[in-house]
Amino acid sequence: DSGVTQTPKHLITATGQRVTLRCSPRSGDLSVYWYQQSLDQGLQFLIQYYNGEERAKGNILERFSAQQFPDLHSELNLSSLELGDSALYFCASSVDLATDTQYFGPGTRLTVL
Amino acid sequence: QQPVQSPQAVILREGEDAVINCSSSKALYSVHWYRQKHGEAPVFLMILLKGGEQKGHDKISASFNEKKQQSSLYLTASQLSYSGTYFCGTESVRYKLTFGKGTLLTVNP
Repeated sequence: DSGVTQTPKHLITATGQRVTLRCSPRSGDLSVYWYQQSLDQGLQFLIQYYNGEERAKGNILERFSAQQFPDLHSELNLSSLELGDSALYFCASSVDLATDTQYFGPGTRLTVL
Repeated sequence: QQPVQSPQAVILREGEDAVINCSSSKALYSVHWYRQKHGEAPVFLMILLKGGEQKGHDKISASFNEKKQQSSLYLTASQLSYSGTYFCGTESVRYKLTFGKGTLLTVNP
């Protein structure tokens, strides 16, 4: 158990819908990262927040957005969902810098039908 | 730019050694290594920073050749629990990790 929690564990929805994935980092960790893992794209970095502020952006689509709240939990919002958005979405947290260990949560499996 | 991992897959018998390589075309700040078992989240193994220091963790160690932008993960005296997919993540842009496609390691009794 990494100490990072993600909800929900599974999510099944239809094309065109909007969903919100939630992540609670390990106690004391200020940085939160979001990743997408699919069979064809592999593991991809989406976005990083540090203490409420966006720090780095990766291959995140414009239909996706994220935020980190004052209590440090983070949400990833996916809208206008397409079949290709079906994937495992992982959240990870670290104390501070990117050179710190990143601890991954168990992931949310999103299926878009 | 995605780092290139080699080999794509390797099969070992318990007790054998393996080396997994990760190569980038860009200058790197750091290289991260993770292991992921089927159906589970990636688990951190180690981070190597600019400076070429070799790090160790039990029977798993790694090196980072800054001049060649290459990192190697060394698994010695493999155990059944080492089975999984190994990913390297490279940081060529600050705070942004780009992962390789992974190396599937299977350790048989």
